[in-house]
Parts: sequence; structure tokens; C-alpha cells
Amino acid sequence: GEDVEQSLFLSVREGDSSVINCTYTDSSSTYLYWYKQEPGAGLQLLTYIFSNMDMKQDQRLTVLLNKKDKHLSLRIADTQTGDSAIYFCAEILYDYKLSFGAGTTVTVRA
Amino acid sequence: DSGVTQTPKHLITATGQRVTLRCSPRSGDLSVYWYQQSLDQGLQFLIQYYNGEERAKGNILERFSAQQFPDLHSELNLSSLELGDSALYFCASSVGQGETYNEQFFGPGTRLTVL
Repeated sequence: GEDVEQSLFLSVREGDSSVINCTYTDSSSTYLYWYKQEPGAGLQLLTYIFSNMDMKQDQRLTVLLNKKDKHLSLRIADTQTGDSAIYFCAEILYDYKLSFGAGTTVTVRA
Repeated sequence: DSGVTQTPKHLITATGQRVTLRCSPRSGDLSVYWYQQSLDQGLQFLIQYYNGEERAKGNILERFSAQQFPDLHSELNLSSLELGDSALYFCASSVGQGETYNEQFFGPGTRLTVL
């Protein structure tokens, strides 16, 4: 399809790991991004991965990229209440536009 | 605080009206992007300006227009408003044009409600 796809909701217990999955569309996308949107706020870039990498780790965040399947995932270790937000996967298209998924709403429960 | 400012924060207007949303990019950023976020369409790219010139166009309706001024601030004009135009409108800015890794910094958004 034409759209970046993500599951819409994820509920996770505090202290557990969260995994958010995304399928993107353009195999030539050079960069793939994860953005976080907290309630009432704009989007904040969390992390990104260059297309020639399989994995990137940044503190509690791990990004995995499977180019063959056009699959991207974001793992948040030791999930905290402050991680409750909407997470958007995005890719850069051939014409340099960012194309976003619908967003995954992550709810952290005590 | 991303350094991108948007005004107004909230806007309530009636169908058929025209509104202008304003964005000031981060200091030093030459690109400004406009996005629309709605429940049914998600986050959609509308248009990008780079140093005063239109750089890329997305799903922007003909009733909508934008411009970037010499001081690099940008305005998004929405006219003949319809109920379906109710959404959160984000502005983002970046240093470059977007052809390489080019982090976009998002403003807090303008929530438009059309009654």
C-alpha cells in the first residue's frame, strides 16, 4: 500500500519493555524516524536510523530495521509513565517529504 | 521547547471563513513545513518552503495557500473553511532542504475548530 502502517494501541506495564512496530513503503528511504507526541504538544524526534544500519541503540531506545521486509521497530526498555504518548514512525520519500504512520498510542499502567 | 513558535494556539471560526496561521522557525532554519493532523487523516504533509521558495507540495487543498517571508516566518492561509478542516496544524522547521538527514523541529501546533 501507499501508507506507513503501525498498530494503533499498545498497553504496557511500568518497568516492562515496549515494542512498537511499523511497516514503511519506500525501499529507497534513506532515513527512518521515530517521533513522540505527548498530549497537547508537537512532535519530538526520538531517534532515527540510516538505511544501511540494522540496529541503533540510544540509551533505553533500540531501533531495528529489516530492509527486506520494510519493517521498523522501536523498543523502549524499562518503560516509565513518562513514556505514555503517541509514537509515529516516518520515512523520507523520494521527493524528500516525510510520510508518517497513523501513530501508536502507548499507555503505561502501574 | 523546540524553538518553533506558532500563533494562535487555538482558533474557532465558522464555515466559509478565512484564517491565517503563523509560524516562526528556529533561528537559523531556512525550511518551514506545514502539516495537518486530524483524527481521520492522521498526520499529513501539506507544503514546504525553503528560503522563501516553495520546495515541496503534499496533500494541500486548493483552498489553502502558504508563503514564507524574507524574515523566514511563514503563514498558512485557509479559506472557504469546511467542518472537515478542523484539525491541529503543525509547523516544523529545519536547517536544510530535506535531501539528507535533516531533523525537523515541530512547533506546538494551532488547533483549528470550524463550527
